[in-house]
Amino acid sequence: GIQVEQSPPDLILQEGANSTLRCNFSDSVNNLQWFHQNPWGQLINLFYIPSGTKQNGRLSATTVATERYSLLYISSSQTTDSGVYFCAVARNQGGKLIFGQGTELSVKP
Amino acid sequence: NAGVTQTPKFRILKIGQSMTLQCTQDMNHNYMYWYRQDPGMGLKLIYYSVGAGITDKGEVPNGYNVSRSTTEDFPLRLELAAPSQTSVYFCASSYSSTGANRANYGYTFGSGTRLTVV
Repeated sequence: GIQVEQSPPDLILQEGANSTLRCNFSDSVNNLQWFHQNPWGQLINLFYIPSGTKQNGRLSATTVATERYSLLYISSSQTTDSGVYFCAVARNQGGKLIFGQGTELSVKP
Repeated sequence: NAGVTQTPKFRILKIGQSMTLQCTQDMNHNYMYWYRQDPGMGLKLIYYSVGAGITDKGEVPNGYNVSRSTTEDFPLRLELAAPSQTSVYFCASSYSSTGANRANYGYTFGSGTRLTVV
C-alpha cells in the first residue's frame, strides 16, 4: 500500500515564527488532505489539495503530485496552532485515506 | 447542524465483552468511515461505507463489524473485546461527487470514543 512519511516528527516554535511541514508519499495519489488535531483530540480538515496551491488565512499548502510531496506552511504561528498535523492520501478521489504519523507542533508564547 | 456525533465518549470494557460504538451524521454525506488512533500514532482505517447497504474493509478490520442501513448511521460493533482494541475510535464522513471531476469534500470527524479494554 501507499506509504506516507511526514517530517519533522516534532517541532517547537516561538509564537510569531513560520514553519514548513512536509509530507512525502510513495505512489501516485488523486486525493491528499491535511488535518489538524488539537490538544483535546478534535480533528479538523484544513485542506483538500491533490495538486496545486491553496491558502486559508495564515495557512497555505502546496502539493507537487509529480514529485510525490506536499508542504503545509504556517505563518506567524499562534499558540492555538499547537497540536498534531496529519497528511492523508488516497489513490482515488473517493476516500479511504491513508494517514501519516503526523507532525507534533508546539507553539510557545 | 451537529455534523458527526459519536457516542459514548468514554467506555471501559472487560475482556470478552461486546459493545457498539454509535455514529450519526446529519450532512447527507454518502461516505462514512471508522478509524482507530493508538497513542502517538496516525489513524488507521477499520471499515468504510460508500452508501447505505455498502460496506468494505479498511486496513485493520479484524475484531470489528459494521452495518450501514441508513445514510445517517454507521455503527461499529466489537464482538469479543481484547486489550489490543484499547484505542481512540473516530468516525468520519465525507461527500464524494461522481463523474469526470470526482472529488472528496467536507471530510468531517466526530469527537472520538476513548475505549479501554481491561
